[in-house]
Amino acid sequence: DQQVKQNSPSLSVQEGRISILNCDYTNSMFDYFLWYKKYPAEGPTFLISISSIKDKNEDGRFTVFLNKSAKHLSLHIVPSQPGDSAVYFCAAMRVSSNTGKLIFGQGTTLQVKP
Amino acid sequence: DTAVSQTPKYLVTQMGNDKSIKCEQNLGHDTMYWYKQDSKKFLKIMFSYNNKELIINETVPNRFSPKSPDKAHLNLHINSLELGDSAVYFCASSQQWTGGFGTEAFFGQGTRLTVV
Repeated sequence: DQQVKQNSPSLSVQEGRISILNCDYTNSMFDYFLWYKKYPAEGPTFLISISSIKDKNEDGRFTVFLNKSAKHLSLHIVPSQPGDSAVYFCAAMRVSSNTGKLIFGQGTTLQVKP
Repeated sequence: DTAVSQTPKYLVTQMGNDKSIKCEQNLGHDTMYWYKQDSKKFLKIMFSYNNKELIINETVPNRFSPKSPDKAHLNLHINSLELGDSAVYFCASSQQWTGGFGTEAFFGQGTRLTVV
């Protein structure tokens, strides 16, 4: 039972344009959401997060939007750069579980073309 | 200065062998984890330790045994390796969650285990 889903395995955008990566979740108990970026042969690196009490969080070129009623979040990258080409993982956590356990989506491979 | 480091990066071994993967973090975090990324690229949690105490043990075969000698180290020992154990194993650490807010985990570079 996949509680966090990234339904687009891949996305290709032109440099300078906006990249939008999507993520859906099924467990309404999740209250903290994160995006990670992963390059080949490296570990995931944290990008940005959002608490369920917010609907938007912005950090430079990266913005995460949360729609709790739809159980949907998205990551916007503006403007996209070739160095953003990587696999992006969405992850969710139930803070009240006090375990720090992350449930990951299956990832979306982003290719930014020069 | 690597925050979460794990060794080895690559491990090729025969079925039936016993192997260990070591992990160390220098971030001063209280909690450490082992995640497994399988051939379908799913990242799933295996174990979590908080201050050397096991707090998560997902449905992992008991051939896998984590050991935490101190809160900066979490090693993974695997007995009687099987072909299906081939995967990438990631160690991670995070600060203790406080105030009802989540916190991000920092990951090591991964250990690609290949069982032949």
